[in-house]
Amino acid sequence: NAGVTQTPKFQVLKTGQSMTLQCAQDMNHNSMYWYRQDPGMGLRLIYYSASEGTTDKGEVPNGYNVSRLNKREFSLRLESAAPSQTSVYFCASRGTSSGDTQYFGPGTRLTVL
Amino acid sequence: EDQVTQSPEALRLQEGESSSLNCSYTVSGLRGLFWYRQDPGKGPEFLFTLYSAGEEKEKERLKATLTKKESFLHITAPKPEDSATYLCAVQANDNFNKFYFGSGTKLNVKP
Repeated sequence: NAGVTQTPKFQVLKTGQSMTLQCAQDMNHNSMYWYRQDPGMGLRLIYYSASEGTTDKGEVPNGYNVSRLNKREFSLRLESAAPSQTSVYFCASRGTSSGDTQYFGPGTRLTVL
Repeated sequence: EDQVTQSPEALRLQEGESSSLNCSYTVSGLRGLFWYRQDPGKGPEFLFTLYSAGEEKEKERLKATLTKKESFLHITAPKPEDSATYLCAVQANDNFNKFYFGSGTKLNVKP
């Protein structure tokens, strides 16, 4: 039981490049989330998926797109990376077995030059 | 506007020196308040959920309490392994999928 996994762990991009961050959970959770964490700031919600087939914007969605591929997988795409998107990205999931509690992955550290 | 403020930003304690971390919140309607521990380079690890004022939860040297405006994380006789950043988050009643996080308290426990 791996919980929430994320790939890659680290990534360096040049301005304008695109990339997709991958997230998968094996806890049969319905809801999945993408957050970013910047120094001195709390985790901020980018997008979430309340259930398979649905996605909704969070607090800071600009510059990002998401895909809920199936119940297990939720990806985050940066179409044209900007230096302001340098951050640590966390995926989380929540489901019936966890109540209201979110469980987080290990994070992806992204640097945009 | 829903928001969460944690204080202090950083706290240095000697081993065995008890203290408390504060999380104050403003939310239209509180569904739940969560405490997480985050070690450097890792994702947040769940500690406690509190739902109503007066509720308390305990785990080893940690105890979390909740009032209508704030929550406290009490650390009794801390050890160096308790050093971490502690995050507080609130979940609003109007959308169970929206969670608001504070910026955390970085705790350093010296032996």
